[in-house]
Amino acid sequence: GENVEQHPSTLSVQEGDSAVIKCTYSDSASNYFPWYKQELGKGPQLIIDIRSNVGEKKDQRIAVTLNKTAKHFSLHITETQPEDSAVYFCASSGAGSYQLTFGKGTKLSVIP
Amino acid sequence: GAGVSQSPSNKVTEKGKDVELRCDPISGHTALYWYRQSLGQGLEFLIYFQGNSAPDKSGLPSDRFSAERTGGSVSTLTIQRTQQEDSAVYLCASSLRLAGNEQFFGPGTRLTVL
Repeated sequence: GENVEQHPSTLSVQEGDSAVIKCTYSDSASNYFPWYKQELGKGPQLIIDIRSNVGEKKDQRIAVTLNKTAKHFSLHITETQPEDSAVYFCASSGAGSYQLTFGKGTKLSVIP
Repeated sequence: GAGVSQSPSNKVTEKGKDVELRCDPISGHTALYWYRQSLGQGLEFLIYFQGNSAPDKSGLPSDRFSAERTGGSVSTLTIQRTQQEDSAVYLCASSLRLAGNEQFFGPGTRLTVL
């Protein structure tokens, strides 16, 4: 089955700096790659997603890039703010599949 | 509109007891998923419901775990004869359609087995 590796497990950045989280996946048939943000005591919330027919997608300070050849995708957060502090999860699913396979998460701390 | 709701938010039980966890998906969402999140870990898929089709139970860790979805809406996850290793946050999600669609998560139920 699909395996998703996520790095780093923890990340600390100064407010205003950029943060990058990387994931690799094993199944070349995977075609949907969402990113979730989970704040303490809450369920994960989708923040951005990308499909395999697109290489990059942006939404304000957040962007995701996908390299299908290398089977990796990354989350980029620019101009980080303290409220960006949370655990971020990447995930993937394959063609015709409903099941998401999640990475183990990255705890992001933005230092004011 | 209302999001996915789960109850209870916290549940403490003694080893060997049965527990029931409830999920109310977003109205109109035909797909419903249960996940387990252990401390510091990612989300582990447990079970999936889609409409009136037979559920995919492939992620259930043992036969002590079962789930049902009544009337295509509310779902209940039951854990029988709970063990300490069952302690985790149990998350429910729902989505509008099948593959590649955004899953909306509830706040989870934190289960502690003493």
